[in-house]
Order: sequence, then structure tokens, then C-alpha cells
Amino acid sequence: DAGVIQSPRHEVTEMGQEVTLRCKPISGHDYLFWYRQTMMRGLELLIYFNNNVPIDDSGMPEDRFSAKMPNASFSTLKIQPSEPRDSAVYFCASNRGNEQFFGPGTRLTVL
Amino acid sequence: GDSVTQMEGPVTLSEEACLTINCTYTATGYPSLFWYVQYPGEGLQLLLKATKADDKGSNKGFEATYRKETTSFHLEKGSVQVSDSAVYFCALSDTGGSYIPTFGRGTSLIVHP
Repeated sequence: DAGVIQSPRHEVTEMGQEVTLRCKPISGHDYLFWYRQTMMRGLELLIYFNNNVPIDDSGMPEDRFSAKMPNASFSTLKIQPSEPRDSAVYFCASNRGNEQFFGPGTRLTVL
Repeated sequence: GDSVTQMEGPVTLSEEACLTINCTYTATGYPSLFWYVQYPGEGLQLLLKATKADDKGSNKGFEATYRKETTSFHLEKGSVQVSDSAVYFCALSDTGGSYIPTFGRGTSLIVHP
């Protein structure tokens, strides 16, 4: 299996622009998670889905953040408009039982 | 709610030294316990796990024992290598059907030649 796939791996954008991060989970996994990692705040859970349905989005920092999972093999995390404080590494992960498999992450820089 | 507490880093060791990274947890049920490792520029990956009290998880020379009486899951290795330099995360997952993990803040390990 190819593992969890994320794109792009790096994104540099200017403040105010829309950013879309993409994730393809491992086939057969029914949970999908989005995390954000920064030096200051560590690893934060933003939102998770079960069978494509958003279950808990209480970690989403603001209304500027939104996430969708239109089918079992694809999810997006969108930030609109982006701000410099959104600069971080964003990880997608999917679960087999209670073991998580992480993607390589998207490093986002907002100038 | 559930929580995981790890020792703060960084932990700096010379090659072939012994490693212990402390981890304690608080949980209402009987969680599964995990150690994940994050190498520079990569996502987290599972290092080892234990699903019930007194279980020992082991992988790549690392081991950790699920201690219910002390609510601990300390990570140990007898002889570290430079390639072990990474950030290590302790985590738990409730076994009640909700596979939502709770992570510690991570401990950075730096191993010098």
C-alpha cells in the first residue's frame, strides 16, 4: 500500500489567499484525521471523520478553516483567507483500529 | 478527560548510552498505549504498542511496558544510535470503540556520535 498521501508537500502563499490541502487515506481505513503541528502548540487535532462524516470539528481554530470528505478516498482542508499564523505543518492520518497512519505532511508558509 | 504527560526534552545522549523517556497517563477506561516516532521532515509512525496491563511492546531495540499500577508506559533502549535522533510521542487510545488518540507533547531525542 502507498500509505497516506498528501499534497502538496510544500505550499507558500500570501496572506489573504485561499489554501487547499489534500489527503488520500489508506484504502479500507474508516477514520480520517487532520492535525496541525507547530513548535509553539505541538500537535493539535483539528477535525476527524468516520465513514466520511465529520464527527468532531471542535479543534478547528476559526471559521476560516473548513474540511470535507466527499468520498472514502479523498479529503480536503481549506483555509480561506489564510493568515501568517496559519503557518504550520498539516498532517492527515487514517486509522486501522486504534493504530494511526500518518501522511508526510504539508508544510504551509503564509507570508 | 484522557491525558498523556511526557518528560520534556530535548534529551541529549552520546551514542551507545541508555535511554529512558518517561510517560504517564490518565484515562477513565482501559486504554491501549502507543509510542510514535517522528523523524525530521516526516509524519509520525508507530514504534510500538501495548493493549493491556503488563504487556510489553518492542520494536527496533525499543521497549515499553504497560504499568497499570503506576499508569506509566516508559520508553527504553539499551544502546542508542545517531539514527534514533527524532521526536517521540506517547499516546493512548480508548478501547471503548472510539479510536481517537490522545498524544503527549513529544520528547526530542538528540544522539551525538
